[in-house]
Amino acid sequence: DSGVTQTPKHLITATGQRVTLRCSPRSGDLSVYWYQQSLDQGLQFLIQYYNGEERAKGNILERFSAQQFPDLHSELNLSSLELGDSALYFCASSVSDTNYGYTFGSGTRLTVV
Amino acid sequence: GQQLNQSPQSMFIQEGEDVSMNCTSSSIFNTWLWYKQEPGEGPVLLIALYKAGELTSNGRLTAQFGITRKDSFLNISASIPSDVGIYFCAGQRSGAGSYQLTFGKGTKLSVIP
Repeated sequence: DSGVTQTPKHLITATGQRVTLRCSPRSGDLSVYWYQQSLDQGLQFLIQYYNGEERAKGNILERFSAQQFPDLHSELNLSSLELGDSALYFCASSVSDTNYGYTFGSGTRLTVV
Repeated sequence: GQQLNQSPQSMFIQEGEDVSMNCTSSSIFNTWLWYKQEPGEGPVLLIALYKAGELTSNGRLTAQFGITRKDSFLNISASIPSDVGIYFCAGQRSGAGSYQLTFGKGTKLSVIP
């Protein structure tokens, strides 16, 4: 157990739908990162939050959004889902916003049918 | 987004053999990291390198930060069955958007007992 909790582990949904992925960072970690892992693109950085504020944005589609709440948990919202959004979505956390020693969660496997 | 060129894509080796994999980039990175991912889990940090030319070991693992800052390699000595997994390199670049990591596409390692 890495200490980073992601729910749900698996999600199957239809095209056009909206889903929310949840992440609880490791105790004491203020920074949360979201990554998408697909077979053809590998691990792609989506977005980072630090203590409730957005810090950096990567290859995140406009249909996707995220937030970090006062209790430091984070949610990734994916809307108007397409088949190509099927992937593993990982959350990672670290103590500071420049610490490179990320701890990853076990991921949420999203399947869009 | 840019990805690192990681090779080889996959390896089949005999237990006890040494393994070498590497990552190259056309851009300079300030930090290189190596992660291992096992099925159903998120990537786990193995080694972090912060200075050009740095050589760091973690048990049977040794990694080096290339002096040009554009490459890194990972060696595993005397491989064992539990070394099986996908190994990812990751680089962090200074400047705008410096908090996220850029990942290679991974090297899938299979160890034959």
